Amino acid sequence: DTAVSQTPKYLVTQMGNDKSIKCEQNLGHDTMYWYKQDSKKFLKIMFSYNNKELIINETVPNRFSPKSPDKAHLNLHINSLELGDSAVYFCASSPNAGVAEQFFGPGTRLTVL
Amino acid sequence: AQSVAQPEDQVNVAEGNPLTVKCTYSVSGNPYLFWYVQYPNRGLQFLLKYITGDNLVKGSYGFEAEFNKSQTSFHLKKPSALVSDSALYFCAVREGYGGATNKLIFGTGTLLAVQP
Repeated sequence: DTAVSQTPKYLVTQMGNDKSIKCEQNLGHDTMYWYKQDSKKFLKIMFSYNNKELIINETVPNRFSPKSPDKAHLNLHINSLELGDSAVYFCASSPNAGVAEQFFGPGTRLTVL
Repeated sequence: AQSVAQPEDQVNVAEGNPLTVKCTYSVSGNPYLFWYVQYPNRGLQFLLKYITGDNLVKGSYGFEAEFNKSQTSFHLKKPSALVSDSALYFCAVREGYGGATNKLIFGTGTLLAVQP
């Protein structure tokens, strides 16, 4: 049973397109996150939701829009994709927004051509 | 602002030898510190965390970390390395003491290579 799952695993698309990445967790956690890992493996948080409420919104282009339809799902929509958006995007979840450890999904490798 | 530094891009160790992966931190207030491991083409896995209490924290897969307040360090250690420990290791600090946002600031990662 996969705890945190993401779809798709790979995404190859052209510049200017709009795409979405979906994330689901079956751990019953209240808090979910999106991270971006660049080609140098640097990992940076983008967004976090707690009980469907946005609690972390880093300096991310407004082409990126998260959406949490319920506590178990956090999707990431990206408009007008650019070359620099190429990266691995990780979803994660934690029991709460305190000091709990985070559980990461397998990642979605986005390649923008 | 909180930050962590991992001074070594890569650590090489022979199987069976002890290993140390270094991490130093800079925080205002008490630190909440974490270690995660990333195997190739996988997501990060939690290893251990320091919140309060004993300075020696034990975690998964035989790893432990020592919190040293005077040296502002949180080095990851294992007494006997395995080839299967080869992976990318991240130190992280939770931003903000208290509060309701579990925002982690990650280090740049250290690649651990264990030779048979």
